[in-house]
Amino acid sequence: KNEVEQSPQNLTAQEGEFITINCSYSVGISALHWLQQHPGGGIVSLFMLSSGKKKHGRLIATINIQEKHSSLHITASHPRDSAVYICAALLGDSNYQLIWGAGTKLIIKP
Amino acid sequence: EPEVTQTPSHQVTQMGQEVILRCVPISNHLYFYWYRQILGQKVEFLVSFYNNEISEKSEIFDDRFSVERPDGSNFTLKIRSTKLEDSAMYFCASSELAGGPSGANVLTFGAGSRLTVL
Repeated sequence: KNEVEQSPQNLTAQEGEFITINCSYSVGISALHWLQQHPGGGIVSLFMLSSGKKKHGRLIATINIQEKHSSLHITASHPRDSAVYICAALLGDSNYQLIWGAGTKLIIKP
Repeated sequence: EPEVTQTPSHQVTQMGQEVILRCVPISNHLYFYWYRQILGQKVEFLVSFYNNEISEKSEIFDDRFSVERPDGSNFTLKIRSTKLEDSAMYFCASSELAGGPSGANVLTFGAGSRLTVL
């Protein structure tokens, strides 16, 4: 049973394109994380949000609690954005346990 | 910028042996976590730790696994009687507060320790 689903699994785009990665979840959550995993395996936390929208540089994350859906957008994409982007849901009855999506592998071509 | 450091970066061990993976969380963080990622699979939660005790653990975290904060700075994951299926990348993370929807609970991850069980 997949409680956190991401789409697409793989995404290849040209430099400069606007990128959208989607995350849907079937469980009650208190917050949702977006993370970036580099080819070497390291994980970096990008956003944690529980409502509305957050922006950091060219990255924007939105969440719709009623629809149980979140999106990560990248504006003016660049080859250095190439990575795996993962959403992870913090269960509503837990302060600690993240349920992770399978990730979206993004490749930005110059 | 403060970071979470993990050692070793890669450990190879024989099946049945014990391994200890070490993590130094960010100094003012109070909540500590271990996750693992088997090659090609999702990241999975193992355990969270606060106030010198386990807060939550997953089904993966069986009796062979233990965590400890021996000296106030290191946070260790010990795996006894290692199995082939323990081979994975193990990530340590820490946060200032618990994972609820407030601003100070963003997780900071270490670079990971790759465990290979032969």
